[in-house]
Amino acid sequence: GQNIDQPTEMTATEGAIVQINCTYQTSGFNGLFWYQQHAGEAPTFLSYNVLDGLEEKGRFSSFLSRSKGYSYLLLKELQMKDSASYLCAGLTNAGKSTFGDGTTLTVKP
Amino acid sequence: DARVTQTPRHKVTEMGQEVTMRCQPILGHNTVFWYRQTMMQGLELLAYFRNRAPLDDSGMPKDRFSAEMPDATLATLKIQPSEPRDSAVYFCASGSGTGAYEQYFGPGTRLTVT
Repeated sequence: GQNIDQPTEMTATEGAIVQINCTYQTSGFNGLFWYQQHAGEAPTFLSYNVLDGLEEKGRFSSFLSRSKGYSYLLLKELQMKDSASYLCAGLTNAGKSTFGDGTTLTVKP
Repeated sequence: DARVTQTPRHKVTEMGQEVTMRCQPILGHNTVFWYRQTMMQGLELLAYFRNRAPLDDSGMPKDRFSAEMPDATLATLKIQPSEPRDSAVYFCASGSGTGAYEQYFGPGTRLTVT
């Protein structure tokens, strides 16, 4: 089975950097997703990490450590529009995905 | 601009009625997922298909839920009979490749069972 843990809520200031952590326990682990979900909308894909290390995509970066069962999403130069829920999800080799409960990020001016 | 479409967007029904939700995956995507999202449980995987074949439906209550892909352009999720606890937003997502690493979500069907 899979177990995904991430903080429930975080608050940060516009222009700052925030790191959202995720720990996982997944049998047959293949990789880890990050999705963004604004209130009332569908999740949208941010990143997928298979190998250890940091992957950067614009203001967003995602890190994975397979040996530690740990990932984080780093958001730089925060904007008000970044206020959303950020979902961490594990993917097994069989293609099954399990989502965490999400971290609600509030960006304040 | 390729998108996953879902119908209906909203559905209000009475307990005991049958509910059918439909999803059209992005053309060319061979993997389709059904998720349910509630405040209490978060986003839960109900079932998923690859090349129209069901791979895993262990997240779905078998006694009342069923998921099918009659063809490559249509996936359906049925609830019969519906119960108030089924009230949730149901998302369909599609992806391509063996891992379906990037899943594209539809807008969801908001179901309310009274």
